Amino acid sequence: SQTIHQWPATLVQPVGSPLSLECTVEGTSNPNLYWYRQAAGRGLQLLFYSVGIGQISSEVPQNLSASRPQDRQFILSSKKLLLSDSGFYLCAWSRTSGGYGELFFGEGSRLTVL
Amino acid sequence: GQQVMQIPQYQHVQEGEDFTTYCNSSTTLSNIQWYKQRPGGHPVFLIQLVKSGEVKKQKRLTFQFGEAKKNSSLHITATQTTDVGTYFCAGRSGSARQLTFGSGTQLTVLP
Repeated sequence: SQTIHQWPATLVQPVGSPLSLECTVEGTSNPNLYWYRQAAGRGLQLLFYSVGIGQISSEVPQNLSASRPQDRQFILSSKKLLLSDSGFYLCAWSRTSGGYGELFFGEGSRLTVL
Repeated sequence: GQQVMQIPQYQHVQEGEDFTTYCNSSTTLSNIQWYKQRPGGHPVFLIQLVKSGEVKKQKRLTFQFGEAKKNSSLHITATQTTDVGTYFCAGRSGSARQLTFGSGTQLTVLP
């Protein structure tokens, strides 16, 4: 069966510090991968999605970036965090064929920028 | 760009009462999905609707897709405390790869 792992689960970072969130998927190959952000009590904002290694599409211009160095690995980064970067970050994957195209989410990473 | 609006934002009900959340899209959707997020958890896929006027049921949950494929609803009959959470709709237009999520409806069920 397929599983998705996301870490760290919680982190508190000072303004201006770098960020790296990592996500890996197991049990499937060539998944579509996504990074979403959820502000407190709000909906899901798509940040990045990827259809293959090295292929990244950005939905919202910001100081965040994403990379996909391996087929089932997706990384969200920032060189300098802003207060507004606080939120709940969710990695997700979907099948490239078959199924409903539904998203399978990781457990999430809760980021607080102070 | 595509926008998906969802109402109400919050809903408090007494256990046993019914609950409905509504989703409206600015564009015609090829399909719509519903997700549930428990407090402190991550969204979990519930169902997908594809056909105009489609109705699907999962036990006490009834999902509808509008005739024009621009709106959808989720109705829960006789809510239970286990129904607590935020319900999101998410729509996809045309051949778009990504889903656009509604802002969600946070359901509180009072015992």
